[in-house]
Amino acid sequence: NAGVTQTPKFRVLKTGQSMTLLCAQDMNHEYMYWYRQDPGMGLRLIHYSVGEGTTAKGEVPDGYNVSRLKKQNFLLGLESAAPSQTSVYFCASSYSRYEQYFGPGTRLTVT
Amino acid sequence: TQLLEQSPQFLSIQEGENLTVYCNSSSVFSSLQWYRQEPGEGPVLLVTVVTGGEVKKLKRLTFQFGDARKDSSLHITAAQPGDTGLYLCAGRAGSYQLTFGKGTKLSVIP
Repeated sequence: NAGVTQTPKFRVLKTGQSMTLLCAQDMNHEYMYWYRQDPGMGLRLIHYSVGEGTTAKGEVPDGYNVSRLKKQNFLLGLESAAPSQTSVYFCASSYSRYEQYFGPGTRLTVT
Repeated sequence: TQLLEQSPQFLSIQEGENLTVYCNSSSVFSSLQWYRQEPGEGPVLLVTVVTGGEVKKLKRLTFQFGDARKDSSLHITAAQPGDTGLYLCAGRAGSYQLTFGKGTKLSVIP
């Protein structure tokens, strides 16, 4: 039981490049989330999903897109990376509204 | 936008001391959670409190939810170096979304 895994762990992009972050969970959770964590800003919700095939915007969705084609996977895409998207990205999943299980994070640097 | 203010932002104490971390808001939350995050890892849930006035204990950690469900505190007794980390509170107001505080960074010096 791996819990929540994230790929890749580190990535460096140049401004304007695109990439996809993959989140996978093996706990059969319905709900999945993408957050970004910046110094002094805490965790901010980017997008979330309440089930396979559904997505919704969070607090800071601009510049990101997501897809949930399979229940166990939640993808976060950056179509044209900007330096402001330099951050640590966390994926989380939950089976209820009460607790979320987080992945280890992806550290992204955009130069 | 619902905000959660955590205080203090940083805390450095000696092993064996007691400490309290606070999480305050002007908004009412249906539940509140505390997470601990270690460097290079994701947050890990410590506790969820749901009822106003609720107190939960987890070994040396005591969590309290305010009567009005707008605030919470985390008290650590006899802190140990293993308690070092970033403590985050997160509140839920009824939707699927959690609102996180900015965290309290705790350092326990041996």
